Amino acid sequence: NAGVMQNPRHLVRRRGQEARLRCSPMKGHSHVYWYRQLPEEGLKFMVYLQKENIIDESGMPKERFSAEFPKEGPSILRIQQVVRGDSAAYFCASSPPIHRYDTDTQYFGPGTRLTVL
Amino acid sequence: AQSVTQPDIHITVSEGASLELRCNYSYGATPYLFWYVQSPGQGLQLLLKYFSGDTLVQGIKGFEAEFKRSQSSFNLRKPSVHWSDAAEYFCAVSNDKIIFGKGTRLHILP
Repeated sequence: NAGVMQNPRHLVRRRGQEARLRCSPMKGHSHVYWYRQLPEEGLKFMVYLQKENIIDESGMPKERFSAEFPKEGPSILRIQQVVRGDSAAYFCASSPPIHRYDTDTQYFGPGTRLTVL
Repeated sequence: AQSVTQPDIHITVSEGASLELRCNYSYGATPYLFWYVQSPGQGLQLLLKYFSGDTLVQGIKGFEAEFKRSQSSFNLRKPSVHWSDAAEYFCAVSNDKIIFGKGTRLHILP
């Protein structure tokens, strides 16, 4: 029973490049969440997605950031024209469908550590 | 607005000593409460959660937490810590999305 998978685990980009972070939820999970963790900070919510739908993107920066969770394949967090301030750990979490008793429990992936040079 | 406060940024205890990590929350109704642990370079692992019922919740690795509505607290405890417990601990509250505290980093003295 594989957990939440994220790749790559480490990503280095130069300023102005694009970063693509992938997240495969646990089997049977239909909800995906993305969080950002800056050094010495807790995790900050970015976006909540279900298949082909963005449910809540209130934590996403207005520009350069986008997320998708297509019908097939992993969820993608995309950062265009990265800047040094985007350097952080990005965590994905997934949770079961609404009818499950533990629907409010999120299971986290190992994270992608993005470094912008 | 929901918020979570972990007043201690760092805590140091000796191996074998007892541990209590503090967490206070602000939320209108009875929240869903969680404790997660993050080892260096790793993701978050769920230690325990409180949804309803018994206010003393048992988790993995010998941890427990007690929900006290009157104090808006959900403190994490362990009777005897092991060196492998050194990590960062996050308290979180959930409604439709999870709000995390800033974390408490636990150091263990040999």
